[in-house]
Amino acid sequence: ILNVEQSPQSLHVQEGDSTNFTCSFPSSNFYALHWYRWETAKSPEALFVMTLNGDEKKKGRISATLNTKEGYSYLYIKGSQPEDSATYLCAEIDMRFGAGTRLTVKP
Amino acid sequence: NAGVTQTPKFQVLKTGQSMTLQCAQDMNHNSMYWYRQDPGMGLRLIYYSASEGTTDKGEVPNGYNVSRLNKREFSLRLESAAPSQTSVYFCATIRGTTISTDTQYFGPGTRLTVL
Repeated sequence: ILNVEQSPQSLHVQEGDSTNFTCSFPSSNFYALHWYRWETAKSPEALFVMTLNGDEKKKGRISATLNTKEGYSYLYIKGSQPEDSATYLCAEIDMRFGAGTRLTVKP
Repeated sequence: NAGVTQTPKFQVLKTGQSMTLQCAQDMNHNSMYWYRQDPGMGLRLIYYSASEGTTDKGEVPNGYNVSRLNKREFSLRLESAAPSQTSVYFCATIRGTTISTDTQYFGPGTRLTVL
């Protein structure tokens, strides 16, 4: 993988569903991976910075894991709520961003 | 604290016109960044400044110039705007001087349309 890639591009879930999406990045010369949450008409806000293989970070119902050897990170949302609707971005060391996963949570 | 501010919020230009987008921060951060955001492409780095007096190209610098006027301010200039520069522009800062584990703080964005 030469660039940061995110999948899926978009996701629609019902309120209460748990969901997850993926960020893939070049595994060579890894230093750090950032996750951001970006609501429509607002600015991206930082969620997590992850550096160590096997790292797991948690903030409320949102958590993330990191596998630097295979070059991926998962973001999980437990019990999705409509206010979780946003685009979730990841970025690696030189701030090369993925295109994002747009999450829509239907009430 | 205002954090990161950007002016203007919206701008419409004609092809060939020039303009400067302003970014200011009151967090005493060292590094500042300019990104553009286009549909389906995420954020792409245009230029950055790791410290006052230094600037470096990012992924998509062509057609842009920057000035790190002082520690607080980082401006982005379009000398001769083109329709391909229609985008939303975000300024961001980090506390440190290198992109590492620091959190980026983003401004509210400038929506630019070039006709």
